[in-house]
Amino acid sequence: GAGVSQSPSNKVTEKGKDVELRCDPISGHTALYWYRQSLGQGLEFLIYFQGNSAPDKSGLPSDRFSAERTGGSVSTLTIQRTQQEDSAVYLCASSLAGGSPYEQYFGPGTRLTVT
Amino acid sequence: DAKTTQPNSMESNEEEPVHLPCNHSTISGTDYIHWYRQLPSQGPEYVIHGLTSNVNNRMASLAIAEDRKSSTLILHRATLRDAAVYYCILSPPLIIQGAQKLVFGQGTRLTINP
Repeated sequence: GAGVSQSPSNKVTEKGKDVELRCDPISGHTALYWYRQSLGQGLEFLIYFQGNSAPDKSGLPSDRFSAERTGGSVSTLTIQRTQQEDSAVYLCASSLAGGSPYEQYFGPGTRLTVT
Repeated sequence: DAKTTQPNSMESNEEEPVHLPCNHSTISGTDYIHWYRQLPSQGPEYVIHGLTSNVNNRMASLAIAEDRKSSTLILHRATLRDAAVYYCILSPPLIIQGAQKLVFGQGTRLTINP
């Protein structure tokens, strides 16, 4: 079946611009996660959504970062006023909470470059 | 979050078994042990997880020490495709219908020689 998809695959933006990154989780997966991977910081958790519960935003690095998940499916990660340190690969994952919740399925990522 | 310690890199030969160690001396009694791997230019991929007993699946085996302070991921017959960064991660048990963030360390970069 279809895996987690993310778009765009690559995004180059100028410092100060806003960007939106999209994630389509596996159909039926109730949990959705955002991570980012940069050379300096490795792979770090940003936020997750689980069903109708309030999202866990504990990993968001600043208030320039926000995410929403509409209809329990697609999610958008928004970065406002981008900075060069935001350059990283942004990874989305989903899992079937209540089924095999420990298996997170990752998408291919969006490579963001801020110039 | 309890910390894990892994070697930075390991090297093995194709078609030989590979044993990837992970130390987690501060593991709590209810922490699960997860292994993920990340192939070049791809997102991480789930490999296996366990609590106390050894576990086997189609990808690998997980051997957990009796005191749970260490574990070993075993690839029974390495192929070139197994070259990746392997992450050992601890997490507390999920609440019912819950979700669980993963805290990744630096992992072990595994090189497979033809």
